[in-house]
Amino acid sequence: GAVVSQHPSRVICKSGTSVKIECRSLDFQATTMFWYRQFPKQSLMLMATSNEGSKATYEQGVEKDKFLINHASLTLSTLTVTSAHPEDSSFYICSARGPSFYGYTFGSGTRLTVV
Amino acid sequence: AQKVTQAQTEISVVEKEDVTLDCVYETRDTTYYLFWYKQPPSGELVFLIRRNSFDEQNEISGRYSWNFQKSTSSFNFTITASQVVDSAVYFCALSEVIQGAQKLVFGQGTRLTINP
Repeated sequence: GAVVSQHPSRVICKSGTSVKIECRSLDFQATTMFWYRQFPKQSLMLMATSNEGSKATYEQGVEKDKFLINHASLTLSTLTVTSAHPEDSSFYICSARGPSFYGYTFGSGTRLTVV
Repeated sequence: AQKVTQAQTEISVVEKEDVTLDCVYETRDTTYYLFWYKQPPSGELVFLIRRNSFDEQNEISGRYSWNFQKSTSSFNFTITASQVVDSAVYFCALSEVIQGAQKLVFGQGTRLTINP
């Protein structure tokens, strides 16, 4: 079946540093990818939608300069959390639209802890 | 307005009991998709089912069954003869076009605990 590989699965970083999370579709092309954030015991909140070759579209309240999204190829999207702070600690999960038109394939998530 | 409502925050039952997780959605689209996902403690999302708005047939897969009722905008999920391994958070989600873009929006989730 379709697989989306997300790395790293877990990362701890110091406050003020930047962290990059990769999301790669392994056996299908994903023109659209989504990034979600999930705080403990809460739902998945959509942060942004990235389309290959164009700028990401951010949801209301999400700082685009803080959460940089790059979708340079049909199989890779990255989320960079810049100048991370403890309040950015969360579970980040990506999703690729596909392989079927109305299907969504999720990565396994990245647990970010900022100390 | 909340697009997907899962009113049950937590449910706890004893093993072998049947349990139903409720999901009510809101959309103006005539074409949309509904999903159920399971999220175990490890965090990854496990896809359970996708249903399009034109298919109101109920679905059964082993111990799992889904009841889709457009008249009440509900897409409920029932686990029959629950097992401890069913313990997880379950999310209902709606895929629709929002401002020209296809998006998947999740409900708040229901934390299901099956006690031995």
